[in-house]
Amino acid sequence: KAGVTQTPRYLIKTRGQQVTLSCSPISGHRSVSWYQQTPGQGLQFLFEYFSETQRNKGNFPGRFSGRQFSNSRSEMNVSTLELGDSALYLCASSLANQETQYFGPGTRLLVL
Amino acid sequence: DQQVKQNSPSLSVQEGRISILNCDYTNSMFDYFLWYKKYPAEGPTFLISISSIKDKNEDGRFTVFLNKSAKHLSLHIVPSQPGDSAVYFCAASVDSGNTPLVFGKGTRLSVIA
Repeated sequence: KAGVTQTPRYLIKTRGQQVTLSCSPISGHRSVSWYQQTPGQGLQFLFEYFSETQRNKGNFPGRFSGRQFSNSRSEMNVSTLELGDSALYLCASSLANQETQYFGPGTRLLVL
Repeated sequence: DQQVKQNSPSLSVQEGRISILNCDYTNSMFDYFLWYKKYPAEGPTFLISISSIKDKNEDGRFTVFLNKSAKHLSLHIVPSQPGDSAVYFCAASVDSGNTPLVFGKGTRLSVIA
């Protein structure tokens, strides 16, 4: 069974731009969660989607948004990028709830 | 306020010896706990979990112990191998996984040959 895939793996953007990251969950998994990992803060929860609906949301500004498609694939978007948005963005999928999540390799975003 | 704390940023252990990674939590509503391992340039990999109805769970070389009264859990790796060198994250959730996982900041384990 293929694992969680994320594209692109690396991205360089400048301040003020926007970015869209993509995540394909493990086949059959319906829950997709997004995390931001920075050196000082560890993994911080962004949001979770289940059956195309946002089910949980972390404490991030409205510049961070996401969506999920009918095939469970998910995208997250960050608008008006700031230097502090430079991080590794991780996507994780699970069957239904968030009990055991399986992570993708992440997208490393650098904002200049 | 950090609800899940891993107070040791790093740990070095000799190959063949026991590695003990610790995690403390403050939210008494947490009832499900997990450990993940992360290599550089990869996403975290699920290692082992434990429900609050148990105090120990074992999977091969990995054992997780839960002390609910102390709000403390630990991961034991016996024997430690060089391939275990990675960052280990402790995570917890409320309602058996129906709420988002809360992660600690991780402990970097180095197993020295």
